[in-house]
Amino acid sequence: AQTVTQSQPEMSVQEAETVTLSCTYDTSESDYYLFWYKQPPSRQMILVIRQEAYKQQNATENRFSVNFQKAAKSFSLKISDSQLGDAAMYFCAYTAIIQGAQKLVFGQGTRLTINP
Amino acid sequence: KAGVTQTPRYLIKTRGQQVTLSCSPISGHRSVSWYQQTPGQGLQFLFEYFSETQRNKGNFPGRFSGRQFSNSRSEMNVSTLELGDSALYLCASSLGWTRGYTFGSGTRLTVV
Repeated sequence: AQTVTQSQPEMSVQEAETVTLSCTYDTSESDYYLFWYKQPPSRQMILVIRQEAYKQQNATENRFSVNFQKAAKSFSLKISDSQLGDAAMYFCAYTAIIQGAQKLVFGQGTRLTINP
Repeated sequence: KAGVTQTPRYLIKTRGQQVTLSCSPISGHRSVSWYQQTPGQGLQFLFEYFSETQRNKGNFPGRFSGRQFSNSRSEMNVSTLELGDSALYLCASSLGWTRGYTFGSGTRLTVV
């Protein structure tokens, strides 16, 4: 079964500091992609970063980077120099072709609070 | 470039009624997926359409259905609404599974 687990329901960090959000996943697929999405109070799900499973190099997008450990099935998100606008729900997600169709599987989310 | 558009943004329905939600994907995106988001269950996959064909369906009762038109716009329908159907319904479009998914702002459905 394809599952994504985020063990931290809530996290908080001081503005300008660094925070790491954890994610583990379970899959039997060999070809898959991993994502982190951000959902602010506006409800719009916004793609933060994407990682191809076949790439060993960790993806980075400005202040956002991931630590992808394929053998451990771990995919954590590091936010550097946290800003007030980073406050949101963060969802880790996995996608693959499952039974002939693409499907996105989400974790339960981590609510990130930024303290000024 | 226009994003994914979902209408309406908010909807209040009475138990037993039916509802239709609409999703217009990004131009050129042929895959459209629907998700239900609730505080208790989180984000759950409803179904995915590609070129007017339903390719995958989540574990939801038959009251939940959908379709996709030739212009890739998609609708989902929920019949005989129950209180538990109250949720945020999100639509996402994609150029392909490796390219990521772009989400709309969702439709907040409240069943009373």
